[in-house]
Amino acid sequence: EPEVTQTPSHQVTQMGQEVILRCVPISNHLYFYWYRQILGQKVEFLVSFYNNEISEKSEIFDDQFSVERPDGSNFTLKIRSTKLEDSAMYFCASRLAGAIQETQYFGPGTRLLVL
Amino acid sequence: ILNVEQSPQSLHVQEGDSTNFTCSFPSSNFYALHWYRWETAKSPEALFVMTLNGDEKKKGRISATLNTKEGYSYLYIKGSQPEDSATYLCAPNYGGATNKLIFGTGTLLAVQP
Repeated sequence: EPEVTQTPSHQVTQMGQEVILRCVPISNHLYFYWYRQILGQKVEFLVSFYNNEISEKSEIFDDQFSVERPDGSNFTLKIRSTKLEDSAMYFCASRLAGAIQETQYFGPGTRLLVL
Repeated sequence: ILNVEQSPQSLHVQEGDSTNFTCSFPSSNFYALHWYRWETAKSPEALFVMTLNGDEKKKGRISATLNTKEGYSYLYIKGSQPEDSATYLCAPNYGGATNKLIFGTGTLLAVQP
């Protein structure tokens, strides 16, 4: 069964460093998402991406964040200059089409720790 | 800010017990409710997507109901097994451009053999 994959599974970085989190969505899906969960808090929406552009972003998704789909298969989240508070589990998700009842399929997450 | 609540926060049951938990969400402009099952180090697994008031869905021993008028959903597990141990997340979406999901706090279920 097709699945969303994410790499790396864990990443440790120093404050101020750039990180790139990678995702391979399910191949025929059209909508892509990043969510994150800070330890002990709810999973929260960061950004959605459709037709090669951001379709919605949350207040969390400031200028330090960017997303890209460079080659038609990978979907990346870049954090330009990491802060301690960026430490979280980052989930990628994808969805086939625009119907409201379409399932969003999640990857296993990347646990990011900023020191 | 849309607030989605799940209760209880955690639950310990014995193998064979049946259990249920609740998701409550703002009912205004509601489009669909998603339930996920999440085991640590694995992808959250989609269980159900529900849209209509009165919807009932079933997958094996797990079932769910939806009340869109009052804004709640129940998830039931019949005859819990140790492999049901996981965090159960509900997430309504309210349409818009992207159908982003608004997650609840989750219910952590531990089933003792």
